[in-house]
Amino acid sequence: EPEVTQTPSHQVTQMGQEVILRCVPISNHLYFYWYRQILGQKVEFLVSFYNNEISEKSEIFDDQFSVERPDGSNFTLKIRSTKLEDSAMYFCASSDSNSPLHFGNGTRLTVT
Amino acid sequence: DQQVKQNSPSLSVQEGRISILNCDYTNSMFDYFLWYKKYPAEGPTFLISISSIKDKNEDGRFTVFLNKSAKHLSLHIVPSQPGDSAVYFCAPRDRGSTLGRLYFGRGTQLTVWP
Repeated sequence: EPEVTQTPSHQVTQMGQEVILRCVPISNHLYFYWYRQILGQKVEFLVSFYNNEISEKSEIFDDQFSVERPDGSNFTLKIRSTKLEDSAMYFCASSDSNSPLHFGNGTRLTVT
Repeated sequence: DQQVKQNSPSLSVQEGRISILNCDYTNSMFDYFLWYKKYPAEGPTFLISISSIKDKNEDGRFTVFLNKSAKHLSLHIVPSQPGDSAVYFCAPRDRGSTLGRLYFGRGTQLTVWP
């Protein structure tokens, strides 16, 4: 079964540094998403992306965050200047117009 | 954000018995309700869903019931198997939001013991 892949599985970065989380969505999917889960808290929506633009973003997704689909296969989340509170598990997901979201296994981001 | 509540953080059930996981919501704009399960070190995996125009959906051992007037849904697993041990999330969608914006509950850790 096709799957969403995320790299790296664990990323450690220092506060103030930029980080890019990478995702390869399922190949025929057109809708892409980022969610995050801070330890002990709910899985939270960050952003949805379709047709090369952001469809919706949550209040968490401020100017420090950006997303990009640099080529036909990758979907990235960039955090410009990481803060301690950005430490979380970040999940990428993809879907087509009729399917439920398929999630990757996540990238654990640790900001020190 | 308390729009979706899963009030039982954990549930322990013997193999072969029924597992019932509950979810309450407050947002009347939710029109589609999904259940995801999650194993450690993996992402959430879609399990079953129900549209707000239905009150029951069944898929093998899994049945989801929706009571719109009570704003309550439940997931029944019967018979429960040890491989069902995972965290289960209720994740509705708001009809006013984009397709994939889901609102997750905190999850219920299900443990099925032999």
